[in-house]
Amino acid sequence: EAGVTQSPTHLIKTRGQQATLRCSPISGHTSVYWYQQALGLGLQFLLWYDEGEERNRGNFPPRFSGRQFPNYSSELNVNALELEDSALYLCASSWVARGDGYTFGSGTRLTVV
Amino acid sequence: AQKVTQAQTEISVVEKEDVTLDCVYETRDTTYYLFWYKQPPSGELVFLIRRNSFDEQNEISGRYSWNFQKSTSSFNFTITASQVVDSAVYFCALSEAAGNKLTFGGGTRVLVKP
Repeated sequence: EAGVTQSPTHLIKTRGQQATLRCSPISGHTSVYWYQQALGLGLQFLLWYDEGEERNRGNFPPRFSGRQFPNYSSELNVNALELEDSALYLCASSWVARGDGYTFGSGTRLTVV
Repeated sequence: AQKVTQAQTEISVVEKEDVTLDCVYETRDTTYYLFWYKQPPSGELVFLIRRNSFDEQNEISGRYSWNFQKSTSSFNFTITASQVVDSAVYFCALSEAAGNKLTFGGGTRVLVKP
């Protein structure tokens, strides 16, 4: 069974640009979660999508947005990039109805210069 | 609001020593889930264990063991006879409902020296 896959592995952007990060969940998982791991700030919850709907959002500005597609894959968009957006972005998936735990991908390391 | 505290930021041990990682949590819910994850240098979070609030049985899996005590809101993790491959950052996390977001502790970096 394939795990959670994230792309790209690394992304370098200039301040003010937009970044798009992608996540494919484990087959059968309907929920996707996004977390930001910035240096010194630990793991912060960003967004939760389930069955195509946004279910919960962390304390991040609106320029962090995303969506979930009919095949349950997800995209995280970060607009108007700032230097402090440089971080490892981790995606996790779960099958909530089955009470599964959370499986994480290897992450996308975003560097804003 | 939920909160997870890992007071130890870094622990250094020599191979074969035991190491215990502390985790204290806060939640108003009576139903909740506790997790431990390992993050090696590659960055991926590796699932170690999930425990729900109604199951206070301690668990052992190989060299890993967990001690869940609701009375002190703690969910501690012990690595017995540590190995160099155990070197990683370990995170304790809490979810207040199945499928809801995870709230992570700050993590404990474990360095096992040969």
